[in-house]
Amino acid sequence: QSALTQPASVSGSPGQSITISCTGTSSDVGAYNYVSWYQQHPGKAPKLMIFDVSNRPSGVSNRFSGSKSGNTASLTISGVQAEDEADYYCSSYTSSVTWVFGGGTKLTVL
Amino acid sequence: QVQLVQSGADVKKPGASVKVSCKASGYTFSSYYMHWVRQAPGQGLEWMGRINPRGDGTNYAQKFQGRITVTRDTPTSTVYMELHSLRTEDTAVYYCARDGNNWNFDSWGQGTLVTVSS
Repeated sequence: QSALTQPASVSGSPGQSITISCTGTSSDVGAYNYVSWYQQHPGKAPKLMIFDVSNRPSGVSNRFSGSKSGNTASLTISGVQAEDEADYYCSSYTSSVTWVFGGGTKLTVL
Repeated sequence: QVQLVQSGADVKKPGASVKVSCKASGYTFSSYYMHWVRQAPGQGLEWMGRINPRGDGTNYAQKFQGRITVTRDTPTSTVYMELHSLRTEDTAVYYCARDGNNWNFDSWGQGTLVTVSS
Protein backbone atom coordinates (compact mmCIF):
# COMPACT_ATOMS: atom_id res chain seq x y z
CA GLN A 1 0.00 0.00 0.00
CA SER A 2 1.62 3.29 -1.10
CA ALA A 3 1.44 6.36 1.07
CA LEU A 4 -1.06 9.06 0.20
CA THR A 5 0.50 12.05 -1.57
CA GLN A 6 0.74 15.36 0.25
CA PRO A 7 2.84 18.47 -0.50
CA ALA A 8 5.97 18.51 1.63
CA SER A 9 5.36 22.05 2.77
CA VAL A 10 2.92 24.94 2.67
CA SER A 11 3.13 28.40 4.14
CA GLY A 12 0.90 31.35 4.85
CA SER A 13 0.80 34.63 6.69
CA PRO A 14 -1.38 35.06 9.77
CA GLY A 15 -4.99 35.52 8.78
CA GLN A 16 -4.62 33.89 5.39
CA SER A 17 -6.25 30.60 4.36
CA ILE A 18 -4.20 27.59 3.34
CA THR A 19 -5.18 24.28 1.82
CA ILE A 20 -3.33 20.96 2.03
CA SER A 21 -4.15 18.28 -0.52
CA CYS A 22 -4.05 14.52 -0.03
CA THR A 23 -4.20 12.31 -3.11
CA GLY A 24 -4.87 8.60 -2.98
CA THR A 25 -6.51 6.04 -5.22
CA SER A 26 -9.88 4.46 -5.91
CA SER A 27 -9.02 1.84 -3.27
CA ASP A 28 -8.68 4.29 -0.40
CA VAL A 29 -9.55 8.01 -0.54
CA GLY A 30 -11.84 7.59 -3.53
CA ALA A 31 -13.63 4.55 -2.16
CA TYR A 32 -14.61 5.60 1.34
CA ASN A 33 -15.52 8.69 3.34
CA TYR A 34 -13.10 7.59 6.04
CA VAL A 35 -10.48 10.27 5.52
CA SER A 36 -9.08 11.93 8.62
CA TRP A 37 -6.50 14.64 9.32
CA TYR A 38 -3.98 14.93 12.16
CA GLN A 39 -1.93 17.80 13.53
CA GLN A 40 1.44 17.06 15.09
CA HIS A 41 3.63 19.55 16.91
CA PRO A 42 7.33 18.68 17.37
CA GLY A 43 7.89 16.00 19.98
CA LYS A 44 4.17 15.50 20.54
CA ALA A 45 1.65 12.81 19.63
CA PRO A 46 -0.65 13.50 16.69
CA LYS A 47 -4.05 15.07 17.33
CA LEU A 48 -7.23 14.30 15.39
CA MET A 49 -8.49 17.44 13.62
CA ILE A 50 -10.97 16.12 11.01
CA PHE A 51 -12.70 12.74 10.62
CA ASP A 52 -15.02 11.27 8.00
CA VAL A 53 -13.73 13.79 5.44
CA SER A 54 -15.29 16.90 6.93
CA ASN A 55 -16.29 16.40 10.57
CA ARG A 56 -14.56 18.16 13.46
CA PRO A 57 -14.16 16.52 16.87
CA SER A 58 -15.41 18.49 19.83
CA GLY A 59 -12.91 21.16 20.79
CA VAL A 60 -11.29 21.61 17.38
CA SER A 61 -11.53 25.14 16.02
CA ASN A 62 -14.03 25.74 13.22
CA ARG A 63 -11.14 27.34 11.30
CA PHE A 64 -10.31 23.76 10.27
CA SER A 65 -12.41 22.19 7.54
CA GLY A 66 -12.15 19.20 5.22
CA SER A 67 -13.50 18.14 1.85
CA LYS A 68 -13.05 15.48 -0.80
CA SER A 69 -13.39 15.22 -4.56
CA GLY A 70 -12.68 11.92 -6.26
CA ASN A 71 -9.37 10.52 -5.07
CA THR A 72 -8.22 13.79 -3.46
CA ALA A 73 -9.07 15.08 0.00
CA SER A 74 -8.23 18.54 1.28
CA LEU A 75 -7.72 20.27 4.61
CA THR A 76 -8.32 24.01 4.76
CA ILE A 77 -7.26 26.24 7.61
CA SER A 78 -8.99 29.60 7.53
CA GLY A 79 -7.31 32.54 9.25
CA VAL A 80 -4.04 30.75 9.94
CA GLN A 81 -2.54 31.50 13.35
CA ALA A 82 0.97 31.05 14.71
CA GLU A 83 -0.21 28.12 16.85
CA ASP A 84 -1.24 26.25 13.70
CA GLU A 85 2.39 25.83 12.66
CA ALA A 86 2.87 22.06 12.75
CA ASP A 87 3.01 18.94 10.60
CA TYR A 88 -0.27 17.71 9.15
CA TYR A 89 -1.06 14.15 8.05
CA CYS A 90 -4.02 12.73 6.20
CA SER A 91 -5.14 9.14 6.62
CA SER A 92 -7.59 6.87 4.85
CA TYR A 93 -9.15 3.48 5.39
CA THR A 94 -8.44 1.13 2.47
CA SER A 95 -10.18 -1.75 0.72
CA SER A 96 -7.61 -4.13 2.20
CA VAL A 97 -8.91 -3.43 5.72
CA THR A 98 -5.79 -1.44 6.45
CA TRP A 99 -5.04 2.25 6.91
CA VAL A 100 -2.63 4.47 5.02
CA PHE A 101 -1.15 7.86 5.92
CA GLY A 102 0.09 10.67 3.75
CA GLY A 103 3.73 11.63 3.86
CA GLY A 104 2.97 14.73 5.89
CA THR A 105 2.94 18.48 5.21
CA LYS A 106 4.88 21.04 7.20
CA LEU A 107 2.87 24.24 7.68
CA THR A 108 4.96 27.35 8.22
CA VAL A 109 3.26 30.51 9.44
CA LEU A 110 5.25 33.42 8.08
CA GLN B 1 -11.15 11.31 30.07
CA VAL B 2 -9.55 8.84 27.70
CA GLN B 3 -5.94 8.05 28.61
CA LEU B 4 -3.49 5.76 26.85
CA VAL B 5 -0.27 5.26 28.80
CA GLN B 6 2.57 3.44 27.07
CA SER B 7 5.62 1.66 28.41
CA GLY B 8 8.99 3.38 28.51
CA ALA B 9 11.77 3.68 25.95
CA ASP B 10 13.70 0.57 25.03
CA VAL B 11 16.97 -0.32 23.33
CA LYS B 12 17.34 -3.57 21.42
CA LYS B 13 19.96 -5.28 19.30
CA PRO B 14 19.27 -6.29 15.70
CA GLY B 15 17.46 -9.62 15.54
CA ALA B 16 15.82 -9.21 18.94
CA SER B 17 12.13 -8.62 19.71
CA VAL B 18 10.46 -5.74 21.50
CA LYS B 19 7.10 -5.64 23.27
CA VAL B 20 5.42 -2.28 23.87
CA SER B 21 2.39 -1.94 26.15
CA CYS B 22 -0.49 0.54 26.08
CA LYS B 23 -2.75 0.78 29.15
CA ALA B 24 -6.16 2.33 28.50
CA SER B 25 -8.43 4.10 30.95
CA GLY B 26 -11.40 6.45 30.98
CA TYR B 27 -13.63 4.41 28.67
CA THR B 28 -15.02 0.93 28.09
CA PHE B 29 -11.96 -0.94 26.84
CA SER B 30 -13.87 -3.63 24.92
CA SER B 31 -15.90 -1.12 22.88
CA TYR B 32 -13.08 0.34 20.79
CA TYR B 33 -10.48 -1.08 18.42
CA MET B 34 -6.84 -0.14 19.11
CA HIS B 35 -4.22 0.61 16.47
CA TRP B 36 -0.44 0.82 16.41
CA VAL B 37 1.32 3.52 14.39
CA ARG B 38 5.03 4.23 14.22
CA GLN B 39 7.18 7.22 13.24
CA ALA B 40 10.85 6.89 12.35
CA PRO B 41 13.08 9.86 13.23
CA GLY B 42 12.22 12.82 11.01
CA GLN B 43 9.75 10.73 9.02
CA GLY B 44 5.99 10.42 8.67
CA LEU B 45 3.39 8.23 10.30
CA GLU B 46 3.09 4.57 9.35
CA TRP B 47 0.13 2.33 10.22
CA MET B 48 1.16 -1.08 11.54
CA GLY B 49 -1.94 -2.94 12.71
CA ARG B 50 -5.01 -3.05 14.93
CA ILE B 51 -6.85 -5.35 17.32
CA ASN B 52 -10.48 -5.84 18.24
CA PRO B 53 -10.51 -5.82 22.06
CA ARG B 54 -13.71 -7.88 22.09
CA GLY B 55 -11.93 -10.87 20.64
CA ASP B 56 -8.65 -11.70 19.04
CA GLY B 57 -9.33 -10.30 15.60
CA THR B 58 -6.33 -8.48 14.19
CA ASN B 59 -5.36 -6.76 10.94
CA TYR B 60 -1.77 -5.99 10.01
CA ALA B 61 -0.07 -3.95 7.31
CA GLN B 62 1.41 -6.26 4.70
CA LYS B 63 4.84 -4.79 5.40
CA PHE B 64 4.80 -6.22 8.94
CA GLN B 65 2.98 -9.52 8.32
CA GLY B 66 4.86 -12.35 10.01
CA ARG B 67 6.88 -9.96 12.19
CA ILE B 68 4.21 -8.27 14.31
CA THR B 69 1.87 -9.56 16.99
CA VAL B 70 -0.79 -7.40 18.64
CA THR B 71 -2.55 -8.82 21.70
CA ARG B 72 -4.76 -7.55 24.48
CA ASP B 73 -5.36 -8.29 28.15
CA THR B 74 -8.92 -7.31 28.96
CA PRO B 75 -8.73 -7.48 32.80
CA THR B 76 -5.97 -4.85 32.79
CA SER B 77 -7.27 -2.89 29.74
CA THR B 78 -3.86 -3.23 28.13
CA VAL B 79 -2.88 -3.76 24.51
CA TYR B 80 0.55 -5.04 23.50
CA MET B 81 2.51 -4.77 20.26
CA GLU B 82 5.42 -7.13 19.74
CA LEU B 83 7.79 -6.69 16.80
CA HIS B 84 10.22 -9.49 16.01
CA SER B 85 13.49 -9.76 14.08
CA LEU B 86 14.29 -6.11 14.67
CA ARG B 87 16.41 -4.16 12.20
CA THR B 88 18.10 -0.80 12.62
CA GLU B 89 15.39 0.74 10.40
CA ASP B 90 12.80 -0.22 13.03
CA THR B 91 14.15 2.57 15.22
CA ALA B 92 11.09 4.75 15.74
CA VAL B 93 8.54 6.14 18.14
CA TYR B 94 5.68 3.66 18.43
CA TYR B 95 2.20 4.96 19.25
CA CYS B 96 -0.99 3.21 20.26
CA ALA B 97 -4.10 5.01 19.05
CA ARG B 98 -7.75 4.33 19.83
CA ASP B 99 -10.17 3.95 16.93
CA GLY B 100 -12.99 6.44 17.40
CA ASN B 101 -15.49 3.98 15.86
CA ASN B 102 -15.34 5.93 12.62
CA TRP B 103 -12.14 4.36 11.34
CA ASN B 104 -10.00 7.20 12.66
CA PHE B 105 -7.53 7.62 15.53
CA ASP B 106 -9.18 9.81 18.15
CA SER B 107 -6.85 9.36 21.12
CA TRP B 108 -3.12 8.64 21.16
CA GLY B 109 -0.62 7.34 23.65
CA GLN B 110 2.44 9.42 24.47
CA GLY B 111 4.68 7.29 22.27
CA THR B 112 7.48 4.84 23.05
CA LEU B 113 10.93 5.26 21.51
CA VAL B 114 12.45 1.97 20.44
CA THR B 115 16.08 2.15 19.39
CA VAL B 116 17.62 -0.75 17.49
CA SER B 117 21.39 -0.62 17.55
CA SER B 118 24.27 -3.02 17.80
